[in-house]
Amino acid sequence: DVKVTQSSRYLVKRTGEKVFLECVQDMDHENMFWYRQDPGLGLRLIYFSYDVKMKEKGDIPEGYSVSREKKERFSLILESASTNQTSMYLCASSFTGQRTQYFGPGTRLLVL
Amino acid sequence: GQQLNQSPQSMFIQEGEDVSMNCTSSSIFNTWLWYKQEPGEGPVLLIALYKAGELTSNGRLTAQFGITRKDSFLNISASIPSDVGIYFCAGQLPFGGNSKLTFGKGITLSVRP
Repeated sequence: DVKVTQSSRYLVKRTGEKVFLECVQDMDHENMFWYRQDPGLGLRLIYFSYDVKMKEKGDIPEGYSVSREKKERFSLILESASTNQTSMYLCASSFTGQRTQYFGPGTRLLVL
Repeated sequence: GQQLNQSPQSMFIQEGEDVSMNCTSSSIFNTWLWYKQEPGEGPVLLIALYKAGELTSNGRLTAQFGITRKDSFLNISASIPSDVGIYFCAGQLPFGGNSKLTFGKGITLSVRP
């Protein structure tokens, strides 16, 4: 069974704080993805990575950065959290050439 | 970027009823996926479709890859209360490398007992 885990289910942070969201997958997947999900907007791709130390911008990368130092771990970083980054953050992973993605349980982030 | 169209945003049905959901696009896709997301959880893959015309079932769920490659539908038969959740379609464009997907906005399904 594919397992994608996210470090926190719920987070509350203050405006201006640096926030780290961690994602780990145990299936040796090359590709990893970070999405945010907001009511009425669906899932929007923030960043993805197709290999260690590789990253590409998704549709809404502004205000975010990522790090992939190990194959199984993909981190999303909010350098200076803002209230408009309050959202549900979902991590996903897949094999290269596989046309499906497997999601983690999500982190609900509230920025006050 | 690309969008997949799912409507309506919400559906309300009675337990025991069948329900059908569509997903459409102006572009051709080479893969269609259907996910379900329960409250507070991440999306879970229900059905994957890889060929135009393909019809696949998973228990009470049936999905089809449209022959034009621009649409897909999901049917749920004999609905039960645990079918509640958000149903997303997703597709991969031809030459959409690295497994990038395009998602619909989802349909929230409510089932009245």
